[in-house]
Amino acid sequence: GAGVSQSPSNKVTEKGKDVELRCDPISGHTALYWYRQSLGQGLEFLIYFQGNSAPDKSGLPSDRFSAERTGGSVSTLTIQRTQQEDSAVYLCASSLLSSGGPIKQFFGPGTRLTVL
Amino acid sequence: EDKVVQSPLSLVVHEGDTVTLNCSYEVTNFRSLLWYKQEKKAPTFLFMLTSSGIEKKSGRLSSILDKKELFSILNITATQTGDSAVYLCAVWGGAQKLVFGQGTRLTINP
Repeated sequence: GAGVSQSPSNKVTEKGKDVELRCDPISGHTALYWYRQSLGQGLEFLIYFQGNSAPDKSGLPSDRFSAERTGGSVSTLTIQRTQQEDSAVYLCASSLLSSGGPIKQFFGPGTRLTVL
Repeated sequence: EDKVVQSPLSLVVHEGDTVTLNCSYEVTNFRSLLWYKQEKKAPTFLFMLTSSGIEKKSGRLSSILDKKELFSILNITATQTGDSAVYLCAVWGGAQKLVFGQGTRLTINP
């Protein structure tokens, strides 16, 4: 598969537990993005990695959310002490990047997180 | 703050109808506007527009950008039930990230 992959596809957890969501971008894509999509809503930007530059974390909703990208490839989004309002689909996307912005973003299938 | 607004939020039409979806934006340092189709989870790329007045076309879908009036439209002619989806508009601007609209949920009834 040459596309973006995410795991797990579904995650059910109890309030207060920590969760880790994984994203494998398309090989060679230097930019990686995380978004959150609540039911019936558009995509909410969370965090953006570009090459070796410092990530843009401006969309993270609280300090319970963090993400890292190891070796410029795989990324993990961690949510600590989950709350019910964290329930959403978490989408990862990757792209090449030109000076004019993303050429186009390719999305993974998402992880549906349910916090009970 | 960069903002993207789509209208209508929801649209129900009959198969064979033509639909027009709207996207207006306010962003600093506009670079490009993108349209995506989201049927289940993963949005799939449709078009990227950077220049005003130049129509992008793919089969029954077409899109055009007006940079003066700060909007784009997505047209779908001879709609089919397989066109039912959420259509997302996003803009890449000075904030160096894509800002998405809320999406338009399009339902095509047979």
